[in-house]
Amino acid sequence: AQSVTQLDSQVPVFEEAPVELRCNYSSSVSVYLFWYVQYPNQGLQLLLKYLSGSTLVKGINGFEAEFNKSQTSFHLRKPSVHISDTAEYFCAVSDLNAGNMLTFGGGTRLMVKP
Amino acid sequence: IAGITQAPTSQILAAGRRMTLRCTQDMRHNAMYWYRQDLGLGLRLIHYSNTAGTTGKGEVPDGYSVSRANTDDFPLTLASAVPSQTSVYFCASSEFGLGTYEQYFGPGTRLTVT
Repeated sequence: AQSVTQLDSQVPVFEEAPVELRCNYSSSVSVYLFWYVQYPNQGLQLLLKYLSGSTLVKGINGFEAEFNKSQTSFHLRKPSVHISDTAEYFCAVSDLNAGNMLTFGGGTRLMVKP
Repeated sequence: IAGITQAPTSQILAAGRRMTLRCTQDMRHNAMYWYRQDLGLGLRLIHYSNTAGTTGKGEVPDGYSVSRANTDDFPLTLASAVPSQTSVYFCASSEFGLGTYEQYFGPGTRLTVT
């Protein structure tokens, strides 16, 4: 079975500061990794995904994430955040035996302050 | 392009009542999913369907049932609602088997069971 841990439930940060949202996973097989964003009162939207290849993945809105197999991590980063980045961010994993099934972390609420 | 629509947007339901949450997609995806979202727990899979005519149980299926009579619709039924089913419910779809793995989410249904 796989699991996902998002270490921070809330991350406050000032506008234009850098941010890192942490995600660790556990799985006995190779995995695919995803970050989704949920703006208030909306559904989830894909930010980026890692399926294979380069371990540094770039997504929408200036976000990027790095897959680290040895540390079983997939941390999300942005060098300079905007007020509009305030949202809930979810890390998710799917292993090669699970088809399209996703296991989600508990979410991290990013709060960007002016 | 509508993507995924869910109805109702929100509902207050008395305990013991039956309720069906509706989900329709127009992307012709073969796979569909139902999740519930609870604070601090992320999204948990209730039921899924990899193709019309088939369904499967997810992580938290008790108290819920689904059907998949055609490609576009995937209703979720609570036969006899209980307060612990108070949650936000998300329907999602994906193209299973093509290696993209991205799931597309609807806007959600906020359900309160009193």
